Amino acid sequence: GNSVTQMEGPVTLSEEAFLTINCTYTATGYPSLFWYVQYPGEGLQLLLKATKADDKGSNKGFEATYRKETTSFHLEKGSVQVSDSAVYFCALSLPNTGFQKLVFGTGTRLLVSP
Amino acid sequence: GAGVSQSPRYKVAKRGQDVALRCDPISGHVSLFWYQQALGQGPEFLTYFQNEAQLDKSGLPSDRFFAERPEGSVSTLKIQRTQQEDSAVYLCASSLVETINEQFFGPGTRLTVL
Repeated sequence: GNSVTQMEGPVTLSEEAFLTINCTYTATGYPSLFWYVQYPGEGLQLLLKATKADDKGSNKGFEATYRKETTSFHLEKGSVQVSDSAVYFCALSLPNTGFQKLVFGTGTRLLVSP
Repeated sequence: GAGVSQSPRYKVAKRGQDVALRCDPISGHVSLFWYQQALGQGPEFLTYFQNEAQLDKSGLPSDRFFAERPEGSVSTLKIQRTQQEDSAVYLCASSLVETINEQFFGPGTRLTVL
């Protein structure tokens, strides 16, 4: 079936550290890939997306590259801030659903300390 | 502008009660989605509307779950004869275009079944 696997959290970092959150997927066909973020007390927000192999999505200093050969979409940021503390969800959507239905991973909590 | 709103934000129900959860999507958004998020898990797809038509209800866990969007705007998710395993956060999302789009999420309704 179609699924997304994320590294377990929490990920605890000091401010200005380098961040990587791993995400791999299993899918039939060629999915679109997404990272969503949920800040404390807020709803899910789209952080970035990539729709085809080798595309790089980027936003707010975060980046992720669609790697078809390794079925991965790892999230990276060069220097995290305390305000980046949140739960991050990797997700995919599939062409056979019109790219509508999102399949999410279990989420990775990031805690950044000053 | 206003985002996706959901009400109530919190609902406590006794086992066996019926509940109704409301979603007000962003004005003009054609597509509307319901997801269920259990504690510590990622959201799981329940159902999808395009305007008033329910195009996919494959994620509804049982016939106790029913969703409607009669005028293509506000949607209601109804759960009959609630059970403890129904306890979760119910998320609503809407989007503007039909394919490869950004889903805008509401804050969710936390349902607790005692």
